[in-house]
Amino acid sequence: DAGVTQSPTHLIKTRGQQVTLRCSPKSGHDTVSWYQQALGQGPQFIFQYYEEEERQRGNFPDRFSGHQFPNYSSELNVNALLLGDSALYLCASSLVWENSYNSPLHFGNGTRLTVT
Amino acid sequence: GIQVEQSPPDLILQEGANSTLRCNFSDSVNNLQWFHQNPWGQLINLFYIPSGTKQNGRLSATTVATERYSLLYISSSQTTDSGVYFCAVRSNDYKLSFGAGTTVTVRA
Repeated sequence: DAGVTQSPTHLIKTRGQQVTLRCSPKSGHDTVSWYQQALGQGPQFIFQYYEEEERQRGNFPDRFSGHQFPNYSSELNVNALLLGDSALYLCASSLVWENSYNSPLHFGNGTRLTVT
Repeated sequence: GIQVEQSPPDLILQEGANSTLRCNFSDSVNNLQWFHQNPWGQLINLFYIPSGTKQNGRLSATTVATERYSLLYISSSQTTDSGVYFCAVRSNDYKLSFGAGTTVTVRA
């Protein structure tokens, strides 16, 4: 049973560039969330996708955007990269039951983004 | 939003020792998870425990939802237990809110 997979594992970009990170959810899961973890801090919620729509968004600027595909996989796009975007980006998947927020999240191994 | 506080921030243990990590949260929750993040950044599920008590080997956890806290117990600690332990909670939305973590160092 494949867990959450993310690619690439590491990435180095220059300020002002754009980046796309990819995530495949755990088998059987239909919901994908993205989190940003800066060094020494806990992960911070970016947004969640369900049924190919953004359902909830954290306190992140519009430079951060995403997409979910019919096979439930997802992409995170960051435009106009800043030095402060350097972080570990984590993808999590879960199974959403109607009107329920209590399913556990499973995380991938993350993509470590360095902006120079 | 919901606030999550973890204590202690740092813990140094001798191999074989027992320890307790605490997580306090500011509102009622539908979801509480404990994670272990290893030095390579992998965030590993330990427990999904919105209430009650669970055990998995040398680890166990208890959540008292009515009093808004959860405890993670590590018994007979090993060097492989080193890393950062996070508590994360979810209330009536999709967002999982994390505490700042407890950094555990187990010395041989």
